[in-house]
Amino acid sequence: GENVEQHPSTLSVQEGDSAVIKCTYSDSASNYFPWYKQELGKRPQLIIDIRSNVGEKKDQRIAVTLNKTAKHFSLHITETQPEDSAVYFCASIRTDKLIFGTGTRLQVFP
Amino acid sequence: NAGVTQTPKFQVLKTGQSMTLQCAQDMNHNSMYWYRQDPGMGLRLIYYSASEGTTDKGEVPNGYNVSRLNKREFSLRLESAAPSQTSVYFCASTPDPGHTYEQYFGPGTRLTVT
Repeated sequence: GENVEQHPSTLSVQEGDSAVIKCTYSDSASNYFPWYKQELGKRPQLIIDIRSNVGEKKDQRIAVTLNKTAKHFSLHITETQPEDSAVYFCASIRTDKLIFGTGTRLQVFP
Repeated sequence: NAGVTQTPKFQVLKTGQSMTLQCAQDMNHNSMYWYRQDPGMGLRLIYYSASEGTTDKGEVPNGYNVSRLNKREFSLRLESAAPSQTSVYFCASTPDPGHTYEQYFGPGTRLTVT
């Protein structure tokens, strides 16, 4: 079955620096790759997603890149702010079901 | 719109007790899902319902049952709770997986089994 690996499990950055989180997937038929942000004690919320026919997508300070050949995709956050501190989950689709990575805890220090 | 709602928010059970977690959405979504979230394990799919009247197993269905009561409601039942079922449970819904896969999550139920 589909497997999604996510790295790193924790990431600490200084405010203003960039953060990059990487995921790899196993099912070459996967065609949708979302990223969810979960603040402490809250529900996961979609922050950006990308479909397999696109290599990169940006939304203000966040961007996602996809390399279908290598079966990996990454989340890039630029000019990080303390409110970016949260757990981030990547996911991919397998037969209409999302398979989630194990999460990355991002801490942004002022 | 309330979105996706879940009850209860917190629950403590003794081993062997049963309970039902309730989930409802008012967005007219077709598909609904139950996940459990454990530290370091991400979100794991327990059961899902692609449409009213259908349910299917996810990655970790053992020890659980579900009911898609109508389009709005999808409940999760623990027949005989075990300490291994201590977790945070999230319900989610998707409008139409054929067109968008974005999942809308409920606030979660924190369950402790002693």
